[in-house]
Amino acid sequence: AQRVTQPEKLLSVFKGAPVELKCNYSYSGSPELFWYVQYSRQRLQLLLRHISRESIKGFTADLNKGETSFHLKKPFAQEEDSAMYYCALSGPGGGSQGNLIFGKGTKLSVKP
Amino acid sequence: KAGVTQTPRYLIKTRGQQVTLSCSPISGHRSVSWYQQTPGQGLQFLFEYFSETQRNKGNFPGRFSGRQFSNSRSEMNVSTLELGDSALYLCASSPAITAQETQYFGPGTRLLVL
Repeated sequence: AQRVTQPEKLLSVFKGAPVELKCNYSYSGSPELFWYVQYSRQRLQLLLRHISRESIKGFTADLNKGETSFHLKKPFAQEEDSAMYYCALSGPGGGSQGNLIFGKGTKLSVKP
Repeated sequence: KAGVTQTPRYLIKTRGQQVTLSCSPISGHRSVSWYQQTPGQGLQFLFEYFSETQRNKGNFPGRFSGRQFSNSRSEMNVSTLELGDSALYLCASSPAITAQETQYFGPGTRLLVL
C-alpha cells in the first residue's frame, strides 16, 4: 500500500543550525513527492516538489529511490522556518496532484 | 485572485445528523479535492472532482459523498454522523491542466460531532 512516513513528530533546532526533516515512502511505481508547510494560523501550502528540483526559502529535497526517501534539508535554519511540515505522495489514480497521501507531519521549532 | 473559500468555518452537529460543507475554488480552477484532518490519522484524502466528475476517491465509507457544480464549486456531504467524524475538513483546488500543478488549500471547516 502507498504510505508516507515522517518518523519525527517534533524537531527542535537552534537558529543557524542545519535542518533535516525525514520522509520515507512506500509506492509501487514512479512517485511524485511534495513537501507542504503550514505556518501558524496560515493555510497549508506547497513548499516544493521533487520534479522541479528547486530550492524554496533555502530548502531542498532530493528523491532517493534506492532508500525510498525524500528528506527536506536546509543548511541554516531561521526562526521563521518554525512550522508544521508535511511530506506528501501523489497517489493512485495518477495524472494529478488531486489525491495526495500525506505523512503525519513534523513540527519544526527553531529557537533563537 | 481570491483564495479557496470554505463555508461554514465551524459547525457543531449531533450523532445521526447529516452535514453539507461547501468549497469555492480559485477562479479558473477545475479540480477540487477534499481531505479530512484529525489528530490521530492526520490528513486523509477523501475525493477529487474534476469537471463535475469524481476522478479519485479515498478509503472512506459511503456516508461521505460529494459533488461538483458547473462553476467548479464543490460540496461534500456526510450522512449519519458519528463521533469519529469530528475533524477539520480541507478543500483544495488546482487548475488541473498538468499533473504537476500546485494545489491551493482553503482554511478548512472544523466539524464537531456531539
